Amino acid sequence: KAGVTQTPRYLIKTRGQQVTLSCSPISGHRSVSWYQQTPGQGLQFLFEYFSETQRNKGNFPGRFSGRQFSNSRSEMNVSTLELGDSALYLCASSLEGRGHTEAFFGQGTRLTVV
Amino acid sequence: AQTVTQSQPEMSVQEAETVTLSCTYDTSESDYYLFWYKQPPSRQMILVIRQEAYKQQNATENRFSVNFQKAAKSFSLKISDSQLGDAAMYFCAYRRGAGGTSYGKLTFGQGTILTVHP
Repeated sequence: KAGVTQTPRYLIKTRGQQVTLSCSPISGHRSVSWYQQTPGQGLQFLFEYFSETQRNKGNFPGRFSGRQFSNSRSEMNVSTLELGDSALYLCASSLEGRGHTEAFFGQGTRLTVV
Repeated sequence: AQTVTQSQPEMSVQEAETVTLSCTYDTSESDYYLFWYKQPPSRQMILVIRQEAYKQQNATENRFSVNFQKAAKSFSLKISDSQLGDAAMYFCAYRRGAGGTSYGKLTFGQGTILTVHP
């Protein structure tokens, strides 16, 4: 069974541009969450999607948005990039239900804003 | 809001020895899950072990075990017979139980860098 796939693995963007990151969850997983990891702030929750609906949202500005498609694949978009958006962006997928609480992570997308 | 605290930024251990990583959390919920994740230099987050709050028995996975003290809100990870491959950043994480609006959200601690000396 394929794991969580994130593309691209690396990105370099210029301040002011926008970027879209993609995440393909494990087959059958309908919950997809996104996290930002930086040395200063650690791992911070961005948002979670379940069955194409945003179920949870972290404390990030509106420049950060996402969506989920009917096949559970998710995209995250950041508009008007700032230098501080440079980070590792991690996507995780999981099943629902009491017996399925683990989140499985992708390898991340390393975004550098210059 | 739930918070997770790892008070040890760095730890080191000799190969084959035992090391314990500390984690405390704060929550008003009674139904939740706790996890330890490992992040090696490859940056892939790997689940090490999980604990359901409603279970009193401490979880064990091979050389990894936890000491779950629910009343004290403490969740430490013990690594026995440490191996060079255990070297990584370790994160403690909290997830609310089913039914809560933040069900899918993981709250992470700051992480502990574990170094294993040969």
